[in-house]
Amino acid sequence: AQSVAQPEDQVNVAEGNPLTVKCTYSVSGNPYLFWYVQYPNRGLQFLLKYITGDNLVKGSYGFEAEFNKSQTSFHLKKPSALVSDSALYFCAVRDRKGYGNNRLAFGKGNQVVVIP
Amino acid sequence: DGGITQSPKYLFRKEGQNVTLSCEQNLNHDAMYWYRQDPGQGLRLIYYSQIVNDFQKGDIAEGYSVSREKKESFPLTVTSAQKNPTAFYLCASSQGGGNTGELFFGEGSRLTVL
Repeated sequence: AQSVAQPEDQVNVAEGNPLTVKCTYSVSGNPYLFWYVQYPNRGLQFLLKYITGDNLVKGSYGFEAEFNKSQTSFHLKKPSALVSDSALYFCAVRDRKGYGNNRLAFGKGNQVVVIP
Repeated sequence: DGGITQSPKYLFRKEGQNVTLSCEQNLNHDAMYWYRQDPGQGLRLIYYSQIVNDFQKGDIAEGYSVSREKKESFPLTVTSAQKNPTAFYLCASSQGGGNTGELFFGEGSRLTVL
């Protein structure tokens, strides 16, 4: 079964500093990987995904993520954090050999707090 | 605008009552999903449907029921059998058969049992 670990409950970063949100995954085969962001009392918004190809994926709002197969990681990064980036971030994975139902396994989420 | 509409946004229910959460999408997506979100637990899949008139149980289906009579609609009923129904409920959709496709989420419905 596929699973995701987001080891840090909360990430605090000063505005303007680099932001990293960590994610490691477990699948039986090759993964499809996703990052979503959630603002309070809102639904999840898609940020980016890794399917195949270049290990560095660029997404919305200046975010990027690097797929590392040997470390089974897909960390989310932003070079310079904004106060408006404060939100809950979810990593998700599914196995390419899954059922074709696009069923994702989500991590528990990381709360990001950007300090002005 | 294309998207997913969930209603109501907030709902209060007395113990022992059934309640139905609405989810409508105009994205022409084949697949639809219901997730439950609790603090510190991430998202857990309740039910999903890949096509009209078909649906499957997710990881926490007990105490819930769904129907998929129309492509656009996937309502979720929280029954009195659900022991701890207070939560934030999220509906999502995706392109059918699209293994690489991301999910599109509604704005959520917060259910509180009094």
